[in-house]
Amino acid sequence: DAKTTQPTSMDCAEGRAANLPCNHSTISGNEYVYWYRQIHSQGPQYIIHGLKNNETNEMASLIITEDRKSSTLILPHATLRDTAVYYCIVRPQNYGGSQGNLIFGKGTKLSVKP
Amino acid sequence: GAVVSQHPSRVICKSGTSVKIECRSLDFQATTMFWYRQFPKQSLMLMATSNEGSKATYEQGVEKDKFLINHASLTLSTLTVTSAHPEDSSFYICSARKQGPGELFFGEGSRLTVL
Repeated sequence: DAKTTQPTSMDCAEGRAANLPCNHSTISGNEYVYWYRQIHSQGPQYIIHGLKNNETNEMASLIITEDRKSSTLILPHATLRDTAVYYCIVRPQNYGGSQGNLIFGKGTKLSVKP
Repeated sequence: GAVVSQHPSRVICKSGTSVKIECRSLDFQATTMFWYRQFPKQSLMLMATSNEGSKATYEQGVEKDKFLINHASLTLSTLTVTSAHPEDSSFYICSARKQGPGELFFGEGSRLTVL
């Protein structure tokens, strides 16, 4: 079972920031928070991941609370092409052999509206 | 980021036939690849873990004789759906992990329709 909970759906106006929350209250000390998104009929796309510090890349920012029990993915200026299902996933970074697969929950369906 | 390619992206076949889907890591070597299945309006479900040079590891409830996985090289894994039936119609997605820690990279997915 997925170890995260996310809202089922969210709407965002084009050009505005989209803030997607994720709860992971049972996260372990060696587990990272990963975010992926899936645009309709495509494979998932990696967005960002982090351990405890806030992270930023060209796609998004990841804000992780101090107790690491929740996080927020921020798309600073959402466009229509950001409409997708966003998955928040926790897993250890260090793994070997055949470990390391991702367990997907239901995600948040983000609809960016003009 | 790294590139993972799947082929074919769409396939339609008759019931009872077998279909092969390829997953290639184009710019890195992957000792481990994962195969997922996704039904409409549902999330991705892991089917099996493909290990280069050894047998695949299947998740509970996935028939290994029906979903044959071959990982013959560090850049190619194949999934063959044998004797396909309409209930096997789904979106099949592979992913590959680069050596060491880091994110998984996913293929574009292959939509199988069994008539």
